[in-house]
Amino acid sequence: DIQMTQSPSTLSASVGDRVTITCRASQSISSWLAWYQQKPGKAPKLLIYKASSLESGVPSRFSGSGSGTEFTLTISSLQPDDFATYYCQQYNSYPITFGQGTRLEIK
Amino acid sequence: EVQLVQSGAEVKKPGESLKISCKGSGYSFTSYWIGWVRQMPGKGLEWMGIIYPGDSDTRYSPSFQGQVTISADKSISTAYLQWSSLKASDTAMYYCATAKDQWELQYWGQGTLVTVSS
Repeated sequence: DIQMTQSPSTLSASVGDRVTITCRASQSISSWLAWYQQKPGKAPKLLIYKASSLESGVPSRFSGSGSGTEFTLTISSLQPDDFATYYCQQYNSYPITFGQGTRLEIK
Repeated sequence: EVQLVQSGAEVKKPGESLKISCKGSGYSFTSYWIGWVRQMPGKGLEWMGIIYPGDSDTRYSPSFQGQVTISADKSISTAYLQWSSLKASDTAMYYCATAKDQWELQYWGQGTLVTVSS
C-alpha cells in the first residue's frame, strides 16, 4: 500500500496568513492526488484534484502543487471559514489511501 | 443537482447484520463509481472500497476485504454497504461519495452513523 504522510498534524494560524500543508507519498503517485476539507460533523469536500486542479466552486485562495512523492496545499490568505481538517488522498493505485489529516486551528 | 442521500443512523448489537444505503440522484448513476469511506470517532478517513454501478465491478481495500460487502441496485440508483456480523470496532461514520474522473471523491453523502454496542 502507498502510505501518505501529512505535515504538520496540527497548524495554528491567523486570519490573513498564508499556510502550506505538505503531503508525502511513500512511492511515486504521479499527479494522482486530491485534497479535501472537512469541518466537524460534516462530510469532506473536494478542493483540489490531480494535484493542482481547483474543483469548481472552490475559492481561488486554495492551490495545490507537486508531483511524484511531494505535494502541497496552500491557502494564500486564511479566512475564518477555512479552519478545518485537511486530508490528502492518493488515487494512483489500489488501495486508495488518505493522509492522516492536518487540523488547521485559529491561533 | 447531484445528491447522495444516505440511510439513517443505526444502533446494533455485536453479531448482528446491517445494510446501509446511498441513493444517488441528479446524475447518471450507472456512469460514475461510488466509493465508501469510514471515519471512526475522532479519527481520519479510510477508503473501504468502490463500485461501478453500471456493471457492478467492485474493488476493496485489503483492510476491508471480507469484512464488508459493497453492492448496487441500478434500477433504484442505490449503492449499499453491508456487514454480516458487526463488531464494536465497526462503530463509525460511513460516507458514500461519487468518483469524479478517476478516484477523487467529488460528491458526498451526509454520512450514516453506525453504533455497535452490547
